[in-house]
Amino acid sequence: DVKVTQSSRYLVKRTGEKVFLECVQDMDHENMFWYRQDPGLGLRLIYFSYDVKMKEKGDIPEGYSVSREKKERFSLILESASTNQTSMYLCASSSPGQGDQPQHFGDGTRLSIL
Amino acid sequence: DAKTTQPPSMDCAEGRAANLPCNHSTISGNEYVYWYRQIHSQGPQYIIHGLKNNETNEMASLIITEDRKSSTLILPHATLRDTAVYYCIVRGYNAGNMLTFGGGTRLMVKP
Repeated sequence: DVKVTQSSRYLVKRTGEKVFLECVQDMDHENMFWYRQDPGLGLRLIYFSYDVKMKEKGDIPEGYSVSREKKERFSLILESASTNQTSMYLCASSSPGQGDQPQHFGDGTRLSIL
Repeated sequence: DAKTTQPPSMDCAEGRAANLPCNHSTISGNEYVYWYRQIHSQGPQYIIHGLKNNETNEMASLIITEDRKSSTLILPHATLRDTAVYYCIVRGYNAGNMLTFGGGTRLMVKP
C-alpha cells in the first residue's frame, strides 16, 4: 500500500512564525502535491512538484513556499504565518502520468495560527 | 474536467451493499471517473477509478454506464467504518495536476 506520512496531525503556531510542514512518501512517486482544505471551499492546490528540486505553483501559492531536496520528501513552508492560513493541509503523491494515475493522500495536518 | 452531481447524503444498513450514484453527463472520451472518500478528520482515501469498463478491487466496484454519463460505486458489504463523505471526480488524461472535489455524498452506515 502507498504510504504518505505527514509529520504532524495537529499544530498550533503564532502569527509571524515560520512554519514547516513535512511530507514523506514511500512509493518512489515522482509527483508530490500540497493542498489545503477549508469548509465550503473544497480542496485547493498550493504547490506541486514533478521531480527533485522542481516546483510549480498551484492556484494559491501566495504566502507559501516548498522544498523538494529528496524524491520522497516534500516540505511546505509558511514564510510568516497568518491567521488566514489556519486550515487542514494535505500532502499527496502519485506516479508520473496524467489522468490515469491516482493521487494518494496523507492524513493531513490541522494547523491553527493564533 | 467534467462536472459531477451526487446526492448530498445517503443511509445504508450495516452488512448491506451501498450503491452511490454519480452523474457526469458532460464527460468526454479521455476522462476517467475517480472515487475517493474522506472519513472525518482524515485525508482523502483513493478507492477506485475507471475509463470505460467496470472495475473491481478489494474495496469496491465501479459500474460505468455504456454512454459513460453516470456511474455507481458499490461497497458490497458496508460496515460502520465506511461512514464517510464519498467524492466522485471526473479527470481528463491531460487534466493538469490538481484534484477538484465537489460536495460529495455523505454516507451514513447504520447498525
